[in-house]
Amino acid sequence: KAGVTQTPRYLIKTRGQQVTLSCSPISGHRSVSWYQQTPGQGLQFLFEYFSETQRNKGNFPGRFSGRQFSNSRSEMNVSTLELGDSALYLCASSVGDYTGELFFGEGSRLTVL
Amino acid sequence: DQQVKQNSPSLSVQEGRISILNCDYTNSMFDYFLWYKKYPAEGPTFLISISSIKDKNEDGRFTVFLNKSAKHLSLHIVPSQPGDSAVYFCAASAKGGSEKLVFGKGTKLTVNP
Repeated sequence: KAGVTQTPRYLIKTRGQQVTLSCSPISGHRSVSWYQQTPGQGLQFLFEYFSETQRNKGNFPGRFSGRQFSNSRSEMNVSTLELGDSALYLCASSVGDYTGELFFGEGSRLTVL
Repeated sequence: DQQVKQNSPSLSVQEGRISILNCDYTNSMFDYFLWYKKYPAEGPTFLISISSIKDKNEDGRFTVFLNKSAKHLSLHIVPSQPGDSAVYFCAASAKGGSEKLVFGKGTKLTVNP
C-alpha cells in the first residue's frame, strides 16, 4: 500500500512569491491534514479537509489556504511568502474517523530567502 | 501558550532498560492523547493512543499512562532497543478525537547498545 506522497520535497522561494504544495493521501483515506513544523514552534496544525470540505482550521493567517479534490488529493498554497514561512510542511492522511491516527508524508521543505 | 509540553528535550537510556517519556497538558478540553515517533528525514509515525476514559493503554513494549488530575501522561518503553532511538512527540485532541492535533515539541530518545 503506497504511503502519503508529498511534492515537491524541497523548494526555495523569495519573499513575496507564492508556493503550492501537493499531497496524495493513502488510497481510501478521505481526510487530509496539513501541519507546519519549525524548530521554534514545533508541529502546528494548519487545516484539515474531508471529502473536499475544510473541516478544521488552525490559527494561521489567510495567506495559508488549501483545497481537496474529488480524488482526495490536496494542495496547500501560501501567498506573499515571508521569511518566517520557512518550514517543513507535513501532510497527513487518515480515514477521517476522528481517532487522530494520522499517516504522515515525508514533508515539503520550504526555504524563503 | 504551549498547551502540550514535553519538558525534556532529550533522554538517553541503555538497551534493555526502561525509557519513560513525559508529557504535560494544560487544556482541560483535551480528551484524546497520542504518541508519535519520528526518525530523521521521515514523517511522524503513529505509535499509541489513549482516551481520557482510560488511565492505561498497552501495546507490546509500549504503554501509555494518563493521569487526568495531574494533566500528565507518560510513555513507557520496555525493554528499550537501539531501533527505538527517535524523536517522540506527544499530541492531544479535543471533542472526542480529531485530526486537529496539538503537539508537544518532542523528546529525542537515544538508546545506547
